[in-house]
Amino acid sequence: GAVVSQHPSWVICKSGTSVKIECRSLDFQATTMFWYRQFPKQSLMLMATSNEGSKATYEQGVEKDKFLINHASLTLSTLTVTSAHPEDSSFYICSARGGVVNEQFFGPGTRLTVL
Amino acid sequence: AQSVTQLDSQVPVFEEAPVELRCNYSSSVSVYLFWYVQYPNQGLQLLLKYLSGSTLVKGINGFEAEFNKSQTSFHLRKPSVHISDTAEYFCAVSDVNGGFKTIFGAGTRLFVKA
Repeated sequence: GAVVSQHPSWVICKSGTSVKIECRSLDFQATTMFWYRQFPKQSLMLMATSNEGSKATYEQGVEKDKFLINHASLTLSTLTVTSAHPEDSSFYICSARGGVVNEQFFGPGTRLTVL
Repeated sequence: AQSVTQLDSQVPVFEEAPVELRCNYSSSVSVYLFWYVQYPNQGLQLLLKYLSGSTLVKGINGFEAEFNKSQTSFHLRKPSVHISDTAEYFCAVSDVNGGFKTIFGAGTRLFVKA
C-alpha cells in the first residue's frame, strides 16, 4: 500500500523556538495533504487542508500564523510550529490523499514536546 | 458539515467474547466511512473502510462493520476478541464532495481482559 512518512518522529524544543515537521508521500503523488493534532487520550482534530501549490485552508480556531503549512510539491508538505509553547505539545499526524483510488493515507505521527 | 459520534468511550470485554463498537455519523452528502485502530504511542492503522457497494465490510484482524444508511451507523464488530486487540478505535467519515477531509470520532478504548 501507499506509504506516508513523517520526520522527525519526535522532537523536544524550548519554548519560543520554531519546529518544522515534514510529511512525505513516498510512492504516490498527493494532491491533498491534511494535518491533524492529537492531544493525549483524545481524538484527532483536523487542523488544515493543503493542496499543492496553493494556500492551506485552516479549520476554525487554528491560528494560521502559528501553524505554517507549505505544500511545495506533490510529495511534500511541511508544518512549522512557530514560537512554540508548552501548550503546543501534542502528537501531530499528517495524511495524504492520492494514489490509484484517491484514498487517504496516514503518516506515523510526530510527537512534539515543548519545554 | 459532517460529524461522528462514538457512543462508548470505553468498552471492557473478556477475551474470546464478541464485541461491538458503535459509531453514528451525520452528513448531508455522500460519505466514505472508516475504522482505524491506534496502539499506544503509535500512528493510525486502517482496519476497514466503506466506499460503496456491499454494506457489510470485512477488514483486518477479523473485524467487520456494517453500513446502515437509514440509521446513519457504521458499527464495528468482532466475534471473538484477543488480548492484543486492546487499543483505541476511531470511527471516521470523509465527505465525498467536500475535498475528502476526514473527521474523526472521539474514540473508543477497547480493553480486553483475560
